[in-house]
Amino acid sequence: EVQLVESGGGLVQPGGSLRLSCAASSFTFSDYAISWVRQAPGKGLEWVSAISASGAHPSYADSVKGRFTISRDNSKNTLYLQMNSLRAEDTAIFYCAKANSGDYLADAFDIWGQGTKVTVSS
Amino acid sequence: DFQMTQSPSSLSASVGDRVTITCRASQSISNYLNWYQQTPGKAPKLLIYAASSLQAGVPSRFSGSGSGTHFALSISSLQPEDFATYYCQQSYSVPPTFGQGTKVEV
Repeated sequence: EVQLVESGGGLVQPGGSLRLSCAASSFTFSDYAISWVRQAPGKGLEWVSAISASGAHPSYADSVKGRFTISRDNSKNTLYLQMNSLRAEDTAIFYCAKANSGDYLADAFDIWGQGTKVTVSS
Repeated sequence: DFQMTQSPSSLSASVGDRVTITCRASQSISNYLNWYQQTPGKAPKLLIYAASSLQAGVPSRFSGSGSGTHFALSISSLQPEDFATYYCQQSYSVPPTFGQGTKVEV
């Protein structure tokens, strides 16, 4: 079964850091762009970041630019999101999501993980 | 960035009803429009991509239409499992942006 599984969420103080991981299975990970999408409590979906299949081309939402870094290890079929200088408004469930058709950063997302919860609070 | 506006924000319906949700883009996005369904506590699920293409495994009662700036998602005969929140998303350019969601409830 094609699957994405996130991990690494938790409770962190404002200004702190956290690294999320997203492990992929049952598809050729290195062929697809992957994104992070978040959902604040009771709110809608917000795209956070994406990375090309090779890892050479990352992209970020303005709200996280300069604070978050996306990366991937295609040898481990794993995506990462390093989050620094966290703010209360970053509190959300973070999903990783696979591009539907290939190496396109703004693609439809056909496979989603179950999400990992990030809470930023003192 | 492309702004996506859905209407209505919520609607009440009954099993068997035909339901239509609309999505408007702030600029033309051709047919780069996708629809998702999300139930409470679950990840979103892709229903429709490229405005009108049904994702594999999605029931045929779901259909999408539109191009340019105006799009619609229709459910021909609402089933109990269809009570959920629906989002549109443009995939025309980075950053991909979502509508605010439409909650379909009893």
